[in-house]
Amino acid sequence: GDSVTQMEGPVTLSEEAFLTINCTYTATGYPSLFWYVQYPGEGLQLLLKATKADDKGSNKGFEATYRKETTSFHLEKGSVQVSDSAVYFCALSDTGGSYIPTFGRGTSLIVHP
Amino acid sequence: GAVVSQHPSRVICKSGTSVKIECRSLDFQATTMFWYRQFPKQSLMLMATSNEGSKATYEQGVEKDKFLINHASLTLSTLTVTSAHPEDSSFYICSASRDKQTEAFFGQGTRLTVV
Repeated sequence: GDSVTQMEGPVTLSEEAFLTINCTYTATGYPSLFWYVQYPGEGLQLLLKATKADDKGSNKGFEATYRKETTSFHLEKGSVQVSDSAVYFCALSDTGGSYIPTFGRGTSLIVHP
Repeated sequence: GAVVSQHPSRVICKSGTSVKIECRSLDFQATTMFWYRQFPKQSLMLMATSNEGSKATYEQGVEKDKFLINHASLTLSTLTVTSAHPEDSSFYICSASRDKQTEAFFGQGTRLTVV
């Protein structure tokens, strides 16, 4: 079945550092890919998405490119802020059928001033 | 936008009692709603999918008699945890979508503590 693998956290960075959170997936079809962010004590917010190969999703300085050849959707940000501290979830949905996202385990990001 | 509101955000209940969590789509009609459970430092586990006007579809291993889901209208789904036990303490999150082929939007979650 479909699955998503994320790098284990926590990822600890200093403010203004470069961020990469790796995500790879396994899917039988051509899924849409998502990054969600969960701030402490809150639900999930969609951060960005890409629906086909080579698409780049971007939002709030975060970017991720849908790489079909490497089945990856790594999240990047050039300069993180303390306010980016949260848990980030990579997810996919098989658009061939119902939209029921499959989530990775989540990666905690801690940004120090 | 697409706003999904969950209520309450936090609830504490005694063992053996039942507690109801509401999930509302505020600015769109949600034909499909999803209920997830999140354990500490873990990912979201899909519990069930509910479609307006029909019975919910539960994932394997989820007790349908314990976690009652009702989706009576296009803007409201409820999850009732019956005969709550301390092991039911968790973070419950709902999401809602306009239809099965459209991405879902998440509520802010409900922290349930059973004492």
